[in-house]
Amino acid sequence: NAGVTQTPKFRVLKTGQSMTLLCAQDMNHEYMYWYRQDPGMGLRLIHYSVGEGTTAKGEVPDGYNVSRLKKQNFLLGLESAAPSQTSVYFCASSYHSDRPTQYFGPGTRLTVL
Amino acid sequence: AQSVAQPEDQVNVAEGNPLTVKCTYSVSGNPYLFWYVQYPNRGLQFLLKYITGDNLVKGSYGFEAEFNKSQTSFHLKKPSALVSDSALYFCAVRDDTGGFKTIFGAGTRLFVKA
Repeated sequence: NAGVTQTPKFRVLKTGQSMTLLCAQDMNHEYMYWYRQDPGMGLRLIHYSVGEGTTAKGEVPDGYNVSRLKKQNFLLGLESAAPSQTSVYFCASSYHSDRPTQYFGPGTRLTVL
Repeated sequence: AQSVAQPEDQVNVAEGNPLTVKCTYSVSGNPYLFWYVQYPNRGLQFLLKYITGDNLVKGSYGFEAEFNKSQTSFHLKKPSALVSDSALYFCAVRDDTGGFKTIFGAGTRLFVKA
């Protein structure tokens, strides 16, 4: 099993550009999450999904959109990137609420100039 | 509201000595508690969790953690540190009231000197 994979690994954007980060998991997990990691702030939840076709807002959803059209994929979109979105983005997945251990992808390092 | 505090930004310990990384939490219901480890340029890896049962939880790589309900703490421990344990450690909490959100602490960087 590949586990949780993320593409791309690195990206540099100019302010105002858009992009989509792709997360894929092959563990048949119901729940998927997008976090951002900033120095000294730990991980903050952007959006999450509890099943195919469902999404919900986390702690810091502004400026991001997500979609979960297939159970194994969770996409994070930035419609108009801002320098404040420079961060490392992690995707994670878990089985369901009774098995809450999360499995993380390797991360995407995004720089917005 | 849920919250997690890791009071130390950094912990330094000599190889072979015991280590402790501290974590305190606040939840409205019974807590689900986790420790994750992050090595440079990698995603987080699960170390151990407490959901119910014995207050002393054993996990991967010789780590263990003790749940203390009265002190609302879940400190990570290891009897004998290795240089390879040097990494960033995150404590996380989720309450058992059905919420889907897990809150992560800010992280504690562990340095183990040879």
